[in-house]
Amino acid sequence: DAGITQSPRHKVTETGTPVTLRCHQTENHRYMYWYRQDPGHGLRLIHYSYGVKDTDKGEVSDGYSVSRSKTEDFLLTLESATSSQTSVYFCAISQTVITPNTGELFFGEGSRLTVL
Amino acid sequence: DQQVKQNSPSLSVQEGRISILNCDYTNSMFDYFLWYKKYPAEGPTFLISISSIKDKNEDGRFTVFLNKSAKHLSLHIVPSQPGDSAVYFCAASVIQGAQKLVFGQGTRLTINP
Repeated sequence: DAGITQSPRHKVTETGTPVTLRCHQTENHRYMYWYRQDPGHGLRLIHYSYGVKDTDKGEVSDGYSVSRSKTEDFLLTLESATSSQTSVYFCAISQTVITPNTGELFFGEGSRLTVL
Repeated sequence: DQQVKQNSPSLSVQEGRISILNCDYTNSMFDYFLWYKKYPAEGPTFLISISSIKDKNEDGRFTVFLNKSAKHLSLHIVPSQPGDSAVYFCAASVIQGAQKLVFGQGTRLTINP
C-alpha cells in the first residue's frame, strides 16, 4: 500500500470555525491531490499540487485553500467551515501525470468532516 | 456540468453471473479512462484502464470496453464474486499535460450469494 496518512480521520466542527486537514506521504511522489466525495457527485477535485509551493485549483475549490511547503505534506484548509463542506475528503498522490504508461493515483483512507 | 456520468447508482447481481457497469462522458478530449473500486471506510483503488487507441482491455475477470463514437465505456466482471461488492468509479482524463482525473458519481455493486 502507498504510504499515505490523512489526519484527522474524523472531525466534527461548527459552522464558521477554521479546519485544516493534513495529508502526509512517504512515497516522495511529486503530485498530490485533495478530492471530496459526496453522494450523487462521486469524487470531485478540490485542489492539487505538482510540486513544493506549486498548487492549482480543481473543479470545486471555492472555500478551500491549500499549502505544500514540503514534498511529503499537503494541507487543505477550510477558512470558515460551512455545512455544505460536510463530506469525506480524500488525499491522493501520483508519481507522474496519469497516462496509460506512467503514473497511477493512490488514495488515502479519507477524512470524514461534519460541519454542524 | 458532469463530464463523466454513471447513471446507475446501484446494481445487484447474482454470484457467478456477469456484472456490467456503465459510464458515459461528454468531453471528446478525454483519451484515457480508468475504473476505481472502493470499499467502505477505505480509499479508492485502481482497477483497470483503457486508452482511446483501444476498444477493449482485459485483466483477468475484468474487461473494459470503450465506444468512442458513443462516448461510452463499460466494465464487465465475469464471473462476479462476493468480494466484488463495492462502489465503482469511472474516471477520465486528457493524456497530454494531464494532471488530474474527472470522476463519475459511482455505482454501488452488490453481489448476492
